[in-house]
Order: sequence, then structure tokens, then C-alpha cells
Amino acid sequence: GAGVSQSPRYKVAKRGQDVALRCDPISGHVSLFWYQQALGQGPEFLTYFQNEAQLDKSGLPSDRFFAERPEGSVSTLKIQRTQQEDSAVYLCASTPMAASQETQYFGPGTRLLVL
Amino acid sequence: GENVEQHPSTLSVQEGDSAVIKCTYSDSASNYFPWYKQELGKRPQLIIDIRSNVGEKKDQRIAVTLNKTAKHFSLHITETQPEDSAVYFCAASWKNTGKLIFGQGTTLQVKP
Repeated sequence: GAGVSQSPRYKVAKRGQDVALRCDPISGHVSLFWYQQALGQGPEFLTYFQNEAQLDKSGLPSDRFFAERPEGSVSTLKIQRTQQEDSAVYLCASTPMAASQETQYFGPGTRLLVL
Repeated sequence: GENVEQHPSTLSVQEGDSAVIKCTYSDSASNYFPWYKQELGKRPQLIIDIRSNVGEKKDQRIAVTLNKTAKHFSLHITETQPEDSAVYFCAASWKNTGKLIFGQGTTLQVKP
């Protein structure tokens, strides 16, 4: 079946622009996670949804970052007034259930470059 | 705080040799430990995982061991092949949530 998909795959933004990154999880998956992966580093947790509820946003680096999942399926990560330090790959992952210890299936990521 | 340390950062082995990657974690409540393989420009792919009620798990050439007392876990790859070359990440769940804390990654190179 279809895996997790993300769009766009690549995004170049000028400093100060707003960007919106989309994640389509595997159909029926309850939980959705966003991670930020800087070059040469491991993914770092940003935020977590269970259905439409955002249960944990402790990893969002600043109030310029905002995520939503209004209907409990597709999610959008929005970054306002982008800065150069926002350049990274943004990964989305989903799991079938709400519980921990579930396999997280990752999307291909959106590579964001802020000039 | 939440932390997963991974060693070594790079590992080079001859084809057919074994490779071992080690991770330590800080949260004693962690109960899920996946390992992901990431090829350049690709998504992380789960290769094996272990839950805290077992000490070892094996899947063909890949095995993972967990020592909850010492808070460390290891990935073992036997009979390495060139296609095993990639970056490997360990991770630990944070406080019994779905949130994963990742290690810094190990770049494995298998020389033919």
C-alpha cells in the first residue's frame, strides 16, 4: 500500500518567507509525528498528533513553528518568517495506533533551504 | 534531560565481517528501542526494534541486545555486505510516549 508521503520534496525560501510543508500519513494511522533532521544529525522531535489533537509540541523550536492536523489525517507544518537556521530536512512519521512502542513509518522528507 | 548517545560515529569493515553499534539512553522509563537505516537522501527505514520486556531479538543477519539495568542497547550485523553501507540511527522512546529520541548516527562503510 501507499506509504507516508510529503510535499514538496524540496523547498527553497528566502529569509523571512513563510513556508508550509505537507504530510500525508498512511491511511487510517492514528498518530503522526514531525521531526527535524539537520545535515549529518539524527532526527529531532518537533510535535505529535493523535488524530486531530496535538498532544505534544515541546520540540517546536520557536513560536514561528506551527503544526496542524484538522481532520486527523493530513498534517501541515508551517514555518513563519524563515531563518537560515531552519534549513533542514523535515520528516513526518505515522503509526497505526496511539500507544507507544509502535513502529514509526517515515515519509521521504521535505528538504528546506533558507537563503 | 532526554539523551541518546551513539558510538561509533563512523565504522568501516570488510565485507563478511561483523559490525557493532552501541547506544546508551538516559530515561529509565524508555521501553521501545528501534534501529533505522538511512541511505543518502532517503527516508529512515526500520530494520529492527526491541521492546523492554526482552533482552535480545534477531532477524537473519541483524540482532539487537538490550540491557535495561545499564541503559544501553546494541545493533549487531553479521556477514556484512556492501549494500549494508548507510547511516544507522538508534532511538529510544521518551517516558512511555511515542516520541523518539534519536542518536547521532553511525556511518557504516562495508568495503568489498
